Amino acid sequence: EPEVTQTPSHQVTQMGQEVILRCVPISNHLYFYWYRQILGQKVEFLVSFYNNEISEKSEIFDDQFSVERPDGSNFTLKIRSTKLEDSAMYFCASSPGMNQPQHFGDGTRLSIL
Amino acid sequence: AQSVTQLDSHVSVSEGTPVLLRCNYSSSYSPSLFWYVQHPNKGLQLLLKYTSAATLVKGINGFEAEFKKSETSFHLTKPSAHMSDAAEYFCVVSRGYSGTYKYIFGTGTRLKVLA
Repeated sequence: EPEVTQTPSHQVTQMGQEVILRCVPISNHLYFYWYRQILGQKVEFLVSFYNNEISEKSEIFDDQFSVERPDGSNFTLKIRSTKLEDSAMYFCASSPGMNQPQHFGDGTRLSIL
Repeated sequence: AQSVTQLDSHVSVSEGTPVLLRCNYSSSYSPSLFWYVQHPNKGLQLLLKYTSAATLVKGINGFEAEFKKSETSFHLTKPSAHMSDAAEYFCVVSRGYSGTYKYIFGTGTRLKVLA
């Protein structure tokens, strides 16, 4: 069964550095999402992406965050200048159509030192 | 605004006994509801979904959930727990906006299965 893949599984970065989290969604899916889960807290929506543009973003997704689909297969989340509070598990998801179930990757654990 | 509330943060059952994980939702219109499971160090796997076709929804691994509008509930059940069911379970409601549907997650219920 096709799956969403995320790399790396664990990323350790110094505060203030840029980090890029990578995702390969399922190939025929059209809608892409990033969520995050801070340890001990709820899974929170960050951003949705369709037709090469952001459809919706949460208040968490400020100017430090950006997303890109650079080559038709990868979907990346960039954090320009990381803060300690960005430490979390980041999940990528994709779905084949509007309001179809989302398929999730295994996540990237981001640790900011 | 849409939201889901998972009423128990931890549930413990003995192997072979029934499982009940409770979820209440709040929605201003007919919601799409999902249950996902997360095993340790793994991603979120879809167990089942409700999208207004039938109120009793059957999912994978013997799980099912019943949508009860009068009680605004979408509880997850399984007749007989297996050790492999030990995991965290998330109730999710989806909310549409500008042509995409974001997920709103509950806080999760950690299921422990005792031998």
